[in-house]
Amino acid sequence: EIVMTQSPATLSVSPGERATLSCRASQSVSSNLAWYQQKPGQAPRLLIYGASTRATGIPARFSGSGSGTEFTLTISSLQSEDFAVYYCQQYNNSRTFGQGTKLEIK
Amino acid sequence: EVQLVESGGGLVQPGRSLRLSCAASGFTFDDYAMHWVRQAPGKGLEWVSGISWNSGSIGYADSVKGRFTISRDNAKNSLYLQMNSLRAEDTALYYCAKAPLKWLLRNWFDPWGQGTLVTVSS
Repeated sequence: EIVMTQSPATLSVSPGERATLSCRASQSVSSNLAWYQQKPGQAPRLLIYGASTRATGIPARFSGSGSGTEFTLTISSLQSEDFAVYYCQQYNNSRTFGQGTKLEIK
Repeated sequence: EVQLVESGGGLVQPGRSLRLSCAASGFTFDDYAMHWVRQAPGKGLEWVSGISWNSGSIGYADSVKGRFTISRDNAKNSLYLQMNSLRAEDTALYYCAKAPLKWLLRNWFDPWGQGTLVTVSS
């Protein structure tokens, strides 16, 4: 099973600043990686697939990069609605999720 | 608008069974694979099972293999999860999610339903 490791577990950032979230795979997943946002009491929402393609309706301040084993989700100029938990998911070999990064207001 | 509505959750004793349903609307159901993903209280996401458009390809997480059975009825635009021999560690919110393709290969999940809560306890 491919293990996905996200860092940090919690990230404190001020509104208007940039947030950088990391996701590492235990073996190469090529570009078969997705990012999701989950707010309290809500279902996860797809942000990024194919490591860097924004899903429909996702603002341009969300961007994804990376391939192989190292991936990054960047949120430029954080808005109040962006504070949430973020998960990465590989779909190169079955499907596994990272443990999540909680993005909180500093 | 794509909608996925889960139902069938509840409180069940260890060792008993439960059947979850997911009603889909707003898209051509038999054009897509479908999945179940769960989230234990306060925990992360865990993929449970997936099924291709024609039920020809099915997959399970090791944690549920042999106990859970996924199925779909394309005529009713519905997805199901039969859960047998339930354990305390199966307690979670179970989400139904749509895949981007007909087949299980290279599947991410979009969108997700609101989930149905399964609690396994005596």
